[in-house]
Amino acid sequence: KAGVTQTPRYLIKTRGQQVTLSCSPISGHRSVSWYQQTPGQGLQFLFEYFSETQRNKGNFPGRFSGRQFSNSRSEMNVSTLELGDSALYLCASSSPGGGAEAFFGQGTRLTVV
Amino acid sequence: KQEVTQIPAALSVPEGENLVLNCSFTDSAIYNLQWFRQDPGKGLTSLLLIQSSQREQTSGRLNASLDKSSGRSTLYIAASQPGDSATYLCAGPSGGRRALTFGSGTRLQVQP
Repeated sequence: KAGVTQTPRYLIKTRGQQVTLSCSPISGHRSVSWYQQTPGQGLQFLFEYFSETQRNKGNFPGRFSGRQFSNSRSEMNVSTLELGDSALYLCASSSPGGGAEAFFGQGTRLTVV
Repeated sequence: KQEVTQIPAALSVPEGENLVLNCSFTDSAIYNLQWFRQDPGKGLTSLLLIQSSQREQTSGRLNASLDKSSGRSTLYIAASQPGDSATYLCAGPSGGRRALTFGSGTRLQVQP
């Protein structure tokens, strides 16, 4: 059974640009969550999607957005990139149900220069 | 709002030692807690998930406990090996939502 797949693994972007990251969850998982990991702030929740609807959102500016498709694949977009957006972006998938285990992908390392 | 704290921040032990990593949380209504391992520059690997109805969960040399009344969870690693060197993170849902709140992690180094 394939795990959570995130693409691309590495990205280098310039300030002011926008970027789109992709996440394919484990087959059968309909919940996808996104997290940002930085040395200073640790792991922080961005948002969660379930059945193509955003269910929860963390405390991030509107430049961070996401969506989920009918096949449960999810994308997150960051517009007008800032140096501080440099981070490891992690995606997690889980099956429906509040007590479900979260499985993470390998992440996308975004560097903004 | 859930807050998660992990102690110690870093730990270095000789191979073969048994060790305990600590995690404390503020929201006692937590319905599960999950322990992860992260190798440098990599994603998170799920180690153990403990539901609120359980007190312990075991996988190989790992044992995790959950005490909701005291707001604590511990991860016990038996007979540590150099391959156990990594950062260990605990996380729990916040306010009944599925969003996870993470501790800052314990960086473990097992010396051969």
